[in-house]
Amino acid sequence: IVLTQSPGTLSLSPGESATLSCRASQSVDNNFLAWYQQKPGQVPKLLIYGASNRATGIPDRFSGSGSGTDFTLAISRLEPEDFAVYYCQQYGSSPYTFGQGTKLEIK
Amino acid sequence: EVHLLESGGGLVQPGGSLRLSCAASGFNFSNFALTWVRQAPGKGLEWVSTVSGTGGSTYYADSVKGRFTISRDNSKNILYLQMNSLRADDTAVYYCARAFWTGSPRNALGVWGQGTTVTVSS
Repeated sequence: IVLTQSPGTLSLSPGESATLSCRASQSVDNNFLAWYQQKPGQVPKLLIYGASNRATGIPDRFSGSGSGTDFTLAISRLEPEDFAVYYCQQYGSSPYTFGQGTKLEIK
Repeated sequence: EVHLLESGGGLVQPGGSLRLSCAASGFNFSNFALTWVRQAPGKGLEWVSTVSGTGGSTYYADSVKGRFTISRDNSKNILYLQMNSLRADDTAVYYCARAFWTGSPRNALGVWGQGTTVTVSS
């Protein structure tokens, strides 16, 4: 399954809201879709699993939605620490592919 | 505290071999699937391979199938990645990651190590 993330780069200001898209080339089994955040020089961090479930300790500003082939990560009230690269990953069927990433940068 | 520590990276010539290790602590090792993910310099994440908790099921990306072998030693709490016939495009930071919940290899990646760097160059 090929995952295509859009946009490639998103430029926003703190306090605004972000919407990141992840589109799959075929339906993701059981909506097994995860979102990760990676800051420069850091390891990826799990945000969302099962398309819409927040991982432990993730603030409710982060929300995931979608099913089948279209998934979205929404981030409300952007904080300075939210500016990072975001990846989606499907783990419904092997190979468990990642999207190419969306860079969320400060405008 | 859950902890993953990779080792074994380094500089290797094209066509060479390398074995990566990932030492785990702080959780019941055999209950969780484990995964290798790599990231080439300045690039995105690439899933490489996953092994089930028992070691009986393994999964590979097409780019490494037939060249890399994932395995685990549940008596030592160590995950391995044997990499053969290395190519320049295998150059990356290799992360080991633990499944988010117990059981299935079809799993989000909830805990990540700090990574070990593999450079394939003559």
